[in-house]
Amino acid sequence: GQNIDQPTEMTATEGAIVQINCTYQTSGFNGLFWYQQHAGEAPTFLSYNVLDGLEEKGRFSSFLSRSKGYSYLLLKELQMKDSASYLCAVREEEQAGTALIFGKGTTLSVSS
Amino acid sequence: SAVISQKPSRDICQRGTSLTIQCQVDSQVTMMFWYRQQPGQSLTLIATANQGSEATYESGFVIDKFPISRPNLTFSTLTVSNMSPEDSSIYLCSVEAGGDEDTQYFGPGTRLTVL
Repeated sequence: GQNIDQPTEMTATEGAIVQINCTYQTSGFNGLFWYQQHAGEAPTFLSYNVLDGLEEKGRFSSFLSRSKGYSYLLLKELQMKDSASYLCAVREEEQAGTALIFGKGTTLSVSS
Repeated sequence: SAVISQKPSRDICQRGTSLTIQCQVDSQVTMMFWYRQQPGQSLTLIATANQGSEATYESGFVIDKFPISRPNLTFSTLTVSNMSPEDSSIYLCSVEAGGDEDTQYFGPGTRLTVL
């Protein structure tokens, strides 16, 4: 079956670093995505990993280990505006036009 | 990336009525996806809409309840039929932007409340 696990909630303070973990068990794998979703808004794309290793984009980095079925999103120099839900999603199939399977999301609260 | 708009942005409807949600994309795309996000939950795929063919529905979703149209490569509609309070949710349209990542981008969503 399909299963994507993330912690439900995390808290951190401004300026800190936080790591949000995601483990997945899917029938296939063709990429892992991280999205940010502020309350009442649509998800916005943050990062994509299909090969093992670390992808860095400014304050955000994402890591993937396919053999372990594991990814994390690393947020550095946290700001209040980073308070949001972070969604891990997996694409199972190789062909284009395949929908994503989402985890339940991790709600991050950043305090001053 | 793709720019996606949805109408309406929100609505409050009575039980037993139907609502049609529109999704417009600024470029031609082969596949469009409709997701539902119930309060406090993550996104669940309702169906995949391919232009020129019937939509493909996920387990637990049926065409009679959620009919979908896909008349061209930039537009799709999702109808929520015979609504009940359990249909209160955010409905999101998504497209795959292509390129190396085939990233999926989401519309702003339609927030539906059924009384």
